[in-house]
Amino acid sequence: AQKVTQAQTEISVVEKEDVTLDCVYETRDTTYYLFWYKQPPSGELVFLIRRNSFDEQNEISGRYSWNFQKSTSSFNFTITASQVVDSAVYFCALNDYKLSFGAGTTVTVRA
Amino acid sequence: NAGVMQNPRHLVRRRGQEARLRCSPMKGHSHVYWYRQLPEEGLKFMVYLQKENIIDESGMPKERFSAEFPKEGPSILRIQQVVRGDSAAYFCASSLGQGADQPQHFGDGTRLSIL
Repeated sequence: AQKVTQAQTEISVVEKEDVTLDCVYETRDTTYYLFWYKQPPSGELVFLIRRNSFDEQNEISGRYSWNFQKSTSSFNFTITASQVVDSAVYFCALNDYKLSFGAGTTVTVRA
Repeated sequence: NAGVMQNPRHLVRRRGQEARLRCSPMKGHSHVYWYRQLPEEGLKFMVYLQKENIIDESGMPKERFSAEFPKEGPSILRIQQVVRGDSAAYFCASSLGQGADQPQHFGDGTRLSIL
């Protein structure tokens, strides 16, 4: 069974601080895909990034970066120089054609 | 707007009534998924459909809930004889293919409130 754990319930930061969101997953599959989604206060779900299990290269895209470590089953996500518009709930998810979501981490960025 | 379209955005029903939620996938997408977001339970998979076929309904309650994705027209999630516990946000997503690498793109959701 797929399981995703986001231990952080809420994170509050001041604008321009970096925010790192933790995600730990469990799966029996040898090949799998991990995703991060964002849910702003308006309620929609926005796809952010995808990572496959056989590529542990960490990447940066604009202010977003992610750290995938297969050895510890972790897929952490960092927002650099946070902005008020980054305030949202962030979900980590594991996909085996249906998404298994973590409980989400609420990020509040204060001006 | 070429994104996933869900309507209505908000739906209010009284206990015992029926609720119909509609979802039009992104252009070119033939795979549709429904998820439910309950306040204390998070986002949970309900059902996965392709055109005219239900592929996986393992997350769907056994009674009162049904889903379809006809050859023509949107996917419909139908809840009969609604109860207070059905109050939730219902999200539809679509993908281009079936593989686990396929990002699912979500609609804005339907907020269902049961009086």
